[in-house]
Amino acid sequence: GQNIDQPTEMTATEGAIVQINCTYQTSGFNGLFWYQQHAGEAPTFLSYNVLDGLEEKGRFSSFLSRSKGYSYLLLKELQMKDSASYLCAVYSGAGSYQLTFGKGTKLSVIP
Amino acid sequence: DAGITQSPRHKVTETGTPVTLRCHQTENHRYMYWYRQDPGHGLRLIHYSYGVKDTDKGEVSDGYSVSRSKTEDFLLTLESATSSQTSVYFCAISAGTSVYNEQFFGPGTRLTVL
Repeated sequence: GQNIDQPTEMTATEGAIVQINCTYQTSGFNGLFWYQQHAGEAPTFLSYNVLDGLEEKGRFSSFLSRSKGYSYLLLKELQMKDSASYLCAVYSGAGSYQLTFGKGTKLSVIP
Repeated sequence: DAGITQSPRHKVTETGTPVTLRCHQTENHRYMYWYRQDPGHGLRLIHYSYGVKDTDKGEVSDGYSVSRSKTEDFLLTLESATSSQTSVYFCAISAGTSVYNEQFFGPGTRLTVL
C-alpha cells in the first residue's frame, strides 16, 4: 500500500523559516507535489518534484530524495497569510492514476 | 484558475436520499477526479475518469457512482446517502496531457447527511 507521513501541526514565527517534512512509502514513484490549503478553501498547487534536488519558487522551495523516500517544503520569510495546511502528495507506480495525499501539516504563524 | 466549478456548493440532505454532485470544467481536460476530505483522513480519492465514459474506482468508492457523458462534466452520485458520507467533496482535473501532471481543484461542495 501507499503511506505518506507528515507532522500534524507546526508553529513558527513571522519572518522566520520553517521546514515541513514528508516521508513516503509507495510501490513506485512518478512525482511528488506540495499543496497549500487555507481553512475552508480548496487545495492550491505549490510545487512539483520528480527528480532529486531542490526546486525553488520565490519564498517556497521543495526538496526531494527518492532513495530516502523523503521530501521537505521550505518556507522563508514567513507571513501571517502562510498559516494554512500543507499537503504532500505522491503519484505512485506505473498504471496508477491516483495521487495519494498525506493527512497534511497545519502551520500556524504567530507574530 | 483551471476553470472548474462545482454545484451545489452546500447541501443538506437526509439519510437514504439520492444526491448528485456536479463538476464542470471549461478547458477540455482529459483526467478528472472526485475526492472527499475529512478531519484526520486528509484527501481520499473516490473515483476518477480518464475520458468520456471511462472511469475507475479510487480508495473509497463504496456507496458512490460516477458518470462522464461529456468531457466537461463529471458527476458523483450517492445512491442512498448515509451520515458517514457527510464530508467536503472536491473535484479536480489533471493539467496538461500527462496523467502525472499537477492537479487543480474546484472550490468544493460541503455535504451534510442528517
